[in-house]
Amino acid sequence: DQQVKQNSPSLSVQEGRISILNCDYTNSMFDYFLWYKKYPAEGPTFLISISSIKDKNEDGRFTVFLNKSAKHLSLHIVPSQPGDSAVYFCAASDNTDKLIFGTGTRLQVFP
Amino acid sequence: GAVVSQHPSWVICKSGTSVKIECRSLDFQATTMFWYRQFPKQSLMLMATSNEGSKATYEQGVEKDKFLINHASLTLSTLTVTSAHPEDSSFYICSASRDRGTYGYTFGSGTRLTVV
Repeated sequence: DQQVKQNSPSLSVQEGRISILNCDYTNSMFDYFLWYKKYPAEGPTFLISISSIKDKNEDGRFTVFLNKSAKHLSLHIVPSQPGDSAVYFCAASDNTDKLIFGTGTRLQVFP
Repeated sequence: GAVVSQHPSWVICKSGTSVKIECRSLDFQATTMFWYRQFPKQSLMLMATSNEGSKATYEQGVEKDKFLINHASLTLSTLTVTSAHPEDSSFYICSASRDRGTYGYTFGSGTRLTVV
């Protein structure tokens, strides 16, 4: 039972354009959402988070949008840079603090 | 800050032996830590929640007798893979949360386990 899903396993974007990564969840008890960037054989690197009481959070080039009614969140990266190429995971937690990861999206930013 | 140190970063062991992985919170006390496993090109799967001073809580499908978790202090949790087999070869990562709304979750750098 995959509670957090990223339906696009990969995404290719030209440098300078916007990257949009999507994530859907099923558990309505999730109240905190995060996005991580990950390279092979390394721990995840935190990018940005959002509480369920908000619908948008912005930090530099990264913006996360939350649509609770649709149980959907997205990460926007603009402008995209070649260094952004990695696997991106969305994650969600409830009041138990357990963090559940999505299936991941491999982003490739080409020149 | 909130720093988590994980050791070793990689280990190779023979089938049938046991391997211990350590996870330490360096600058904060973590009453709860989490252990994940990641197979190549797959997601990070939560294995168990490590609770200081009490038994760990395992996710469905995770063998608690095979993956022994000990959280004897507020800064150290250990995962022991007992009687390791090649199918246990994976990337194991620990995590701790320190006031998730403020500091979020901090992850160790992971341990690559190869069982031969």
